[in-house]
Amino acid sequence: AQSVAQPEDQVNVAEGNPLTVKCTYSVSGNPYLFWYVQYPNRGLQFLLKYITGDNLVKGSYGFEAEFNKSQTSFHLKKPSALVSDSALYFCAVRDRGSQGNLIFGKGTKLSVKP
Amino acid sequence: DAGVIQSPRHEVTEMGQEVTLRCKPISGHNSLFWYRQTMMRGLELLIYFNNNVPIDDSGMPEDRFSAKMPNASFSTLKIQPSEPRDSAVYFCASIRGNSPLHFGNGTRLTVT
Repeated sequence: AQSVAQPEDQVNVAEGNPLTVKCTYSVSGNPYLFWYVQYPNRGLQFLLKYITGDNLVKGSYGFEAEFNKSQTSFHLKKPSALVSDSALYFCAVRDRGSQGNLIFGKGTKLSVKP
Repeated sequence: DAGVIQSPRHEVTEMGQEVTLRCKPISGHNSLFWYRQTMMRGLELLIYFNNNVPIDDSGMPEDRFSAKMPNASFSTLKIQPSEPRDSAVYFCASIRGNSPLHFGNGTRLTVT
């Protein structure tokens, strides 16, 4: 069965410091991997995706994620956090053979303090 | 592109009443998803459609929940009768092929 784990409920970072939000997955075969962000009272917004090719994927707002097949991980990173990055972040996986359904992690709340 | 449009944004109703949530997907998208988000359970997939046909409804909690997609530009999620434990934010999302999933801003349902 497919699954996504986000081991941290919350990540606290000081503004200007690098941030990492962790994600590991379990899926048969080669997955598509995604990160989404949710601001209060809004739907989830797409940040970035890994389909194939370079393991380091760059996305919106300066975020990037590294696909590590051996560790089945897809951690989200940003070199310098902003207070405005504070939000709920979701990792998601889709089996390449599926018709579009994404499996989401439980989400990680990122809090960036000035 | 107006994005995925959901209505209403907020719904407050009494237990036992029928609730209908509406969704207009992005034009040209061929798959539509209904999710429910709560603090306790996170984001749960309720049902999804591909080319207007329900593909997987295993996430629908019980027979009180039903969803329809009569055409490519409209879907409804109905709860009848509603219960307090149905209180949540319900999201609709659409996709075309392997593009990223696009979410609406959700309907916050409160059942008293």
